[in-house]
Amino acid sequence: AQSVTQLDSQVPVFEEAPVELRCNYSSSVSVYLFWYVQYPNQGLQLLLKYLSGSTLVKGINGFEAEFNKSQTSFHLRKPSVHISDTAEYFCAGRSYNTDKLIFGTGTRLQVFP
Amino acid sequence: EAGVTQFPSHSVIEKGQTVTLRCDPISGHDNLYWYRRVMGKEIKFLLHFVKESKQDESGMPNNRFLAERTGGTYSTLKVQPAELEDSGVYFCASSQVYRGRGTEAFFGQGTRLTVV
Repeated sequence: AQSVTQLDSQVPVFEEAPVELRCNYSSSVSVYLFWYVQYPNQGLQLLLKYLSGSTLVKGINGFEAEFNKSQTSFHLRKPSVHISDTAEYFCAGRSYNTDKLIFGTGTRLQVFP
Repeated sequence: EAGVTQFPSHSVIEKGQTVTLRCDPISGHDNLYWYRRVMGKEIKFLLHFVKESKQDESGMPNNRFLAERTGGTYSTLKVQPAELEDSGVYFCASSQVYRGRGTEAFFGQGTRLTVV
């Protein structure tokens, strides 16, 4: 079955600390992987995507993610977070033969001063 | 360039009433998608248009939901009659038709539907 799992529903962290948001996927959605962010009262915005090639993908706002095929993971990381990173983050995958995205349940990142 | 626009941003209706949500995709985008997030759960695919044709409607929950995209431009999603379990945030997204399959989908702000 196609599935994307985000293991943490909420992640609290202090400003300037590093953060990792975890995402695991089933092999059927492993072809293309994405991280989206939803800031309060806004739509979903693409942070980064993995299509092929280098397993380390850099995105906007200092975020990066690493595609790990053996662990079926695509964890999102940032070495030093800001208050403005407070938002909900969604991992999503898509397979070759469909255009639809399979989303995880989201992780709410709360950055404290 | 305008992004994906959805109307209304919020809607509160009574059970049994009808509601129509509208999505205006980015100009020139042939692909249009509807997704829904029920509170606390994952964002789920509803359906996909390519221009005015339904490419995939496997996610539509039941026949109370009707989506249209006349002329291949904007799309509407009608819920008739609405039930309590239809409450959630409805997202629309669009993307260009692309030879490669990794084209980015751009999302709207969503319509928060509350059925009481």
